[in-house]
Amino acid sequence: KAGVTQTPRYLIKTRGQQVTLSCSPISGHRSVSWYQQTPGQGLQFLFEYFSETQRNKGNFPGRFSGRQFSNSRSEMNVSTLELGDSALYLCASSRGISSYEQYFGPGTRLTVT
Amino acid sequence: EDQVTQSPEALRLQEGESSSLNCSYTVSGLRGLFWYRQDPGKGPEFLFTLYSAGEEKEKERLKATLTKKESFLHITAPKPEDSATYLCAVQASGAGSYQLTFGKGTKLSVIP
Repeated sequence: KAGVTQTPRYLIKTRGQQVTLSCSPISGHRSVSWYQQTPGQGLQFLFEYFSETQRNKGNFPGRFSGRQFSNSRSEMNVSTLELGDSALYLCASSRGISSYEQYFGPGTRLTVT
Repeated sequence: EDQVTQSPEALRLQEGESSSLNCSYTVSGLRGLFWYRQDPGKGPEFLFTLYSAGEEKEKERLKATLTKKESFLHITAPKPEDSATYLCAVQASGAGSYQLTFGKGTKLSVIP
């Protein structure tokens, strides 16, 4: 069974630009969550989607947004990039009902210059 | 607010030297406590879920236990390939969300 896939794996952007990251969950998983990982803050929750609806959102500014499609694939968007947005962005999927384990993808390493 | 604290931040062990990692947590109601392993440059790899105090789970050289306030990850006779950062996370009970709150992790180095 294929795992969670994320594209692209690496990205370099300039301050002020915007970026879109993509996540394909494990087949059959309907819930997708996004996390930001930095050396100083560790893993921090961004948002969670289930059946195309945002179920929860973390404490991040409105520049961070996401969506989920009918096939459960998800995208997150960061507008007006800042240097502090440089991080590993991780996507995790779970069945979403009666199964609570989240399985992570390899992440997208975003560098903002 | 849910909080997770892991200790120590870093641990160096000789190959074969057993030890334990600690995860203490504060959560309004615990749905589950999760242990992950993360290698450099990769996403976290799921290890265990514990749901109630007294529960134990084992996988090869790893054994996770849970009390009402903390969890331990015991590593028996570790090998160099066990070197990684071990992350603990809690999931609060209640409808509507499966959000995980993570600790900062324990970086384990096993020296041959």
